[in-house]
Amino acid sequence: KQEVTQIPAALSVPEGENLVLNCSFTDSAIYNLQWFRQDPGKGLTSLLLIQSSQREQTSGRLNASLDKSSGRSTLYIAASQPGDSATYLCAVRVTGNQFYFGTGTSLTVIP
Amino acid sequence: EPEVTQTPSHQVTQMGQEVILRCVPISNHLYFYWYRQILGQKVEFLVSFYNNEISEKSEIFDDQFSVERPDGSNFTLKIRSTKLEDSAMYFCATGLAGLGNEQFFGPGTRLTVL
Repeated sequence: KQEVTQIPAALSVPEGENLVLNCSFTDSAIYNLQWFRQDPGKGLTSLLLIQSSQREQTSGRLNASLDKSSGRSTLYIAASQPGDSATYLCAVRVTGNQFYFGTGTSLTVIP
Repeated sequence: EPEVTQTPSHQVTQMGQEVILRCVPISNHLYFYWYRQILGQKVEFLVSFYNNEISEKSEIFDDQFSVERPDGSNFTLKIRSTKLEDSAMYFCATGLAGLGNEQFFGPGTRLTVL
């Protein structure tokens, strides 16, 4: 069974700092990997989707990379802002339609 | 921008009662999913639905659960006889295509079973 781990569980950084969130998965046979943002008590907002054949995706200040063979993905956030404070989840899609989620990284950006 | 909506936002029910959670997908999406998130735990896949039938389900999705699209637009999750451990946030997600495409999540329904 696919296991998805996110490190660190929590991260606190001053505003303006660049940061990296990590996601690792045990089975490299994935179709894609999606990064989400979850605000307290809210749903999941899709940030970036990387197909298994891709190495990275970029959207604004966000850049996600995928190394399928080593079972890793990173989400890079440039010039962090207080509005980036949220929990960041990665999820991998395996055969069929199942997404396996990590436990998330709780990010706090201090003004 | 189109979005997935869910009703109600919060449902409180007594143990043993039936609940129906509703989702309105993005209009041209064809794939539908339910997930749940117990407080403090991971988001867990429950079921996927395509072409009016279940395409995949997890071990969590037992006989107490069912899904349907009763009117071709709403997508519902029914829990027949709720248990205390069904208390969780339930998320609906929809997608335009199957494998390889993004899933878009609704805001969730918080279910509290007393």
